[in-house]
Amino acid sequence: EVQLVESGGGLVQPGRSLRLSCTASGTDSGFTFSDSAMNWVRQAPGKGLEWVGFIRDKAFGATTEYAASVTGRFTISRDDSNAIAYLQMNSLKPEDTAVYYCTTLSDVYYNYFMDVWGKGTTVTVSS
Amino acid sequence: DIQMTQSPSSLSASVGDRVTITCRASQSIANYLNWYQQQAGKAPKLLIYAASSLESGVPSRFSGSGSGTDFTLTINSLQPEDFATYYCQQSYNTLFTFGQGTRLAIK
Repeated sequence: EVQLVESGGGLVQPGRSLRLSCTASGTDSGFTFSDSAMNWVRQAPGKGLEWVGFIRDKAFGATTEYAASVTGRFTISRDDSNAIAYLQMNSLKPEDTAVYYCTTLSDVYYNYFMDVWGKGTTVTVSS
Repeated sequence: DIQMTQSPSSLSASVGDRVTITCRASQSIANYLNWYQQQAGKAPKLLIYAASSLESGVPSRFSGSGSGTDFTLTINSLQPEDFATYYCQQSYNTLFTFGQGTRLAIK
């Protein structure tokens, strides 16, 4: 069974940076991290889900896509040798306060869906 | 961006009931629609992908249908663990968007 564990959350002042990590395990279940696109979703307190962005696997150039609300401030990267995905968050704003979830992103004929979720890590942006 | 609108935003039902949740897209998205369940205090869980395909391990009382702009999630014979919030999500383009969520509460 694939498991994802997010880490790196915490309290940060507006304008500062934070890097979240998502570590995958369970490769003996047939899951190959390097073949999987990885995705981030966030949820502000008491609110719904908001997609943040994703990174394709290296076969697709490890290219990235981002929501408009984070473009230019957030960067997703990956370390396939250690099965870790990262979310680098710069110029943080109070409205970035949320639980951040890492997910795998699978597809059927490019119909993408978020099939495995981590438990999330909390980011609070406040002075 | 493609806007996803769910209805209702909340509903109450009893164990054993059948409920339907609707999701409407602001433009045609073919069958690029997924459904997730989020129980209180937990991470979301994939239920349905590609509008009508049941994710492995998800009970068969859950079903999805629709294409184009209108989609439904149906839960037959509600069980206590089904009282949760449900979200639809489109992947027609790579700027994914979620619906605002439908909270299903016990009557």
